[in-house]
Amino acid sequence: EPEVTQTPSHQVTQMGQEVILRCVPISNHLYFYWYRQILGQKVEFLVSFYNNEISEKSEIFDDQFSVERPDGSNFTLKIRSTKLEDSAMYFCASSSLGNEQFFGPGTRLTVL
Amino acid sequence: QKEVEQDPGPLSVPEGAIVSLNCTYSNSAFQYFMWYRQYSRKGPELLMYTYSSGNKEDGRFTAQVDKSSKYISLFIRDSQPSDSATYLCAMSLYGNNRLAFGKGNQVVVIP
Repeated sequence: EPEVTQTPSHQVTQMGQEVILRCVPISNHLYFYWYRQILGQKVEFLVSFYNNEISEKSEIFDDQFSVERPDGSNFTLKIRSTKLEDSAMYFCASSSLGNEQFFGPGTRLTVL
Repeated sequence: QKEVEQDPGPLSVPEGAIVSLNCTYSNSAFQYFMWYRQYSRKGPELLMYTYSSGNKEDGRFTAQVDKSSKYISLFIRDSQPSDSATYLCAMSLYGNNRLAFGKGNQVVVIP
């Protein structure tokens, strides 16, 4: 069964460093999303991406964040200068025209 | 008022019991309703997906949506220890739109 994959599973970085989180969505899906979940809190929407552009973003997704689909299979989230409060699980999701969003296993980001 | 409210529990039930979970929401424009299951430190796994009001059944799982009351429910019949997980409700305004999640309800099924 096709699934969303994410790498790395765990990323440790120093405050102020740039990180890139990678995702491979399900191959025939057209819509891509990033969410995050701070420990003990709700899953929060960050950004959605369709047709090579951002379709919606939340107030969390400020100038420190960017997304890219560099080729036909990968979807990345870049955080330019990480802060302590960026420590969270980051989930990639994808959907086809049917709207059901399928999530990857997540990348745990730890900012020291 | 929070957009999506879900009592975090935890909820402990004996094996074979019916598990009943629910969420309320404030935005009457939500049209798509989902339940996800999440095991510890894993990604949410889609369980049920419904559009607008009504019931949907899939095996031991039943999802109900009451848009007039802004209330959705998930029932798990004949619960198994493998059903022990956190259950998240989620909803969206329209297709392929951002999901708004509840906080999640931790369920423990005791053998």
